[in-house]
Amino acid sequence: NAGVTQTPKFQVLKTGQSMTLQCAQDMNHEYMSWYRQDPGMGLRLIHYSVGAGITDQGEVPNGYNVSRSTTEDFPLRLLSAAPSQTSVYFCASSTRPSGANVLTFGAGSRLTVL
Amino acid sequence: QQQVKQSPQSLIVQKGGISIINCAYENTAFDYFPWYQQFPGKGPALLIAIRPDVSEKKEGRFTISFNKSAKQFSLHIMDSQPGDSATYFCAASREDNYGQNFVFGPGTRLSVLP
Repeated sequence: NAGVTQTPKFQVLKTGQSMTLQCAQDMNHEYMSWYRQDPGMGLRLIHYSVGAGITDQGEVPNGYNVSRSTTEDFPLRLLSAAPSQTSVYFCASSTRPSGANVLTFGAGSRLTVL
Repeated sequence: QQQVKQSPQSLIVQKGGISIINCAYENTAFDYFPWYQQFPGKGPALLIAIRPDVSEKKEGRFTISFNKSAKQFSLHIMDSQPGDSATYFCAASREDNYGQNFVFGPGTRLSVLP
């Protein structure tokens, strides 16, 4: 019963480098999403997906790419890292049992861009 | 612009007291209003949630009050305990063609003094 697993937990990048934050869930949830958390800003939605092959942008999508080739995985790609992308990133998945939407979050990935 | 407003930013309560956190939303398309609790170094976890067809929901010491006409909802924590010290996020969600769209408030850092 792993839930939502994020890797890596910590990462330091230099400006301009690229990397992928991994997210995997084992609950067969249809919906997956990525958020970033910054002090005083709460959680802001980056990208989300309803299933394999279907994704859409959230509130702050610039500088990030996603794809959903399987139900289980939803990686987040930073194409050219910038200091403004220093943040804690959370992946979440959800389903709708009995009409309720329950987001299950991973433990987070702390990214520092120098 | 922030679609979900939350106050206060921080809250200090004595053990046994009542903690009250307020949220307001703008988009009447939202149809689900959860509260999430986050401890340091962890991902947020669902605490309690409400749909707009009810005005109040209680689970143990936690109660959500919902005012649809005012587009406001609040979290009440009765008999607050030091273990309740955490950051609390209200959220609002709706479903579109691409999945679930959650919008979070900026968070309230609650400290319960022993």
